[in-house]
Parts: sequence; structure tokens; C-alpha cells
Amino acid sequence: QVQMVQSGAEVKKPGASVKVSCKASGYTFINYYVHWVRQAPGQGLEWMGVITPSGGGTTYSQNFQGRVTMTRDTSTSTLYMELSSLRSEDTAVYYCARVQTPYGSSPFDYWGQGTLVTVSS
Amino acid sequence: DIQMTQSPSSLSASVGARVTITCRASQIISNYLNWYQQRPGKAPQLLIYAASSLQSGVPSRFSGSGSGADFTLTISRLQPDDSATYYCQQSFTMSRTFGGGTKVEIK
Repeated sequence: QVQMVQSGAEVKKPGASVKVSCKASGYTFINYYVHWVRQAPGQGLEWMGVITPSGGGTTYSQNFQGRVTMTRDTSTSTLYMELSSLRSEDTAVYYCARVQTPYGSSPFDYWGQGTLVTVSS
Repeated sequence: DIQMTQSPSSLSASVGARVTITCRASQIISNYLNWYQQRPGKAPQLLIYAASSLQSGVPSRFSGSGSGADFTLTISRLQPDDSATYYCQQSFTMSRTFGGGTKVEIK
């Protein structure tokens, strides 16, 4: 069965970087785009960006341009999201989410369990 | 970016009630509209995709409608398990923006 398993919680100081991983299994890794979404405490869902696992191409939200980098390792079927220059407002749960179909404008059908990133001095 | 506006932001209804949540896109998105349910402390779960298609395993009391820029999620007979926050999301563009969410509480 499809699974997206994320790395554990992180505590970082302002100005630092964090790298969250998302290990995919149960499907052909290179065929499905994976998006990253975050959710600040008590707030809604915010789209961060998407990576194409086959070629590594990315599209980022303008809200994170210059601070976010999404990568993948096809040998281990793992996606990574790195966010730099962290500030307190980046405290949130970060999710990876796979699209439903390998083509078209499909929704997110499988999500990781979420990774809490806390930014505090 | 396409902006998604949901209403109401919260509601309270009794078990068995019919509940309607609306979502409006800032531009025409055809039927590229999805609905998710999120329970506290959990990842969102897909309920409805392509405006009106029920995701496998989702109870039939959930339904979606609409096209263009205006969409609706309906819960025909509210159950205690439906207490959650519901989000709409457009998939018309690669930038997959979400609505602000509607928190549904059971009276």
C-alpha cells in the first residue's frame, strides 16, 4: 500500500535551516508529483511547492521563493524539503502529499503524517 | 495565484442535519476543485475531487457540486464523526491553493 513516512520533529533557532524528509513506498516513485504543504498552529493549509520525482523539476510558491529547496533521491524513493533563514512564523507542521494520478490536475490522495518544526530561540 | 474563499469559517449543527459549505475561486477553474477533511492532529484526507467525484471509501452522505468558480460541499445527514475542518483546494494550476477552512462542530 502507498505510504509517505516523514522524519521526526525538529527544533531550530531563528536563522537556521531545516531539512524534512518524506520516504515514499508502495508505488512507482518517479511517476507521481509530490507537493509540500504546511500548517501553522491553529491555521489553515498553505501550499509550498511541488517536485517532479522523475526529473527533479520544481515549482515553488512565491511566498517561499529563495528560502525553500525541494529535492529527491530516486535510489531511496525519498523526497526532501529544506527551508532556510527560519523565523518564528515558520513554526508549523509540514506535510508531503502525493498526487492521485501521474497526469493532469489531480488532488492529493496520500499524505505524510506531518513533521512539526518549531523555531524558537 | 488563484485565491480560494470558503464560507462560513465555522458552523455548529445537530446530528442528522444537512450542512452546506461553499467555496469560491477568484477565477474560473472549470471543475478542478477538491475537498479535504482534517481532524485535529491528523493529516488532511481527500473527500471529493473534480468537484463532484467521491473518493473511494468516503461515505455517500458527502457530495460536491459546482463548476466554474462556485462550489459546494454538502453533508446530507451530519454524523458525530464528521466533526472536523473542511478545506477546498483548486487544482487548476500547479500552485494548489487552499481555502481558509470551515470548522464543523456538532451541537
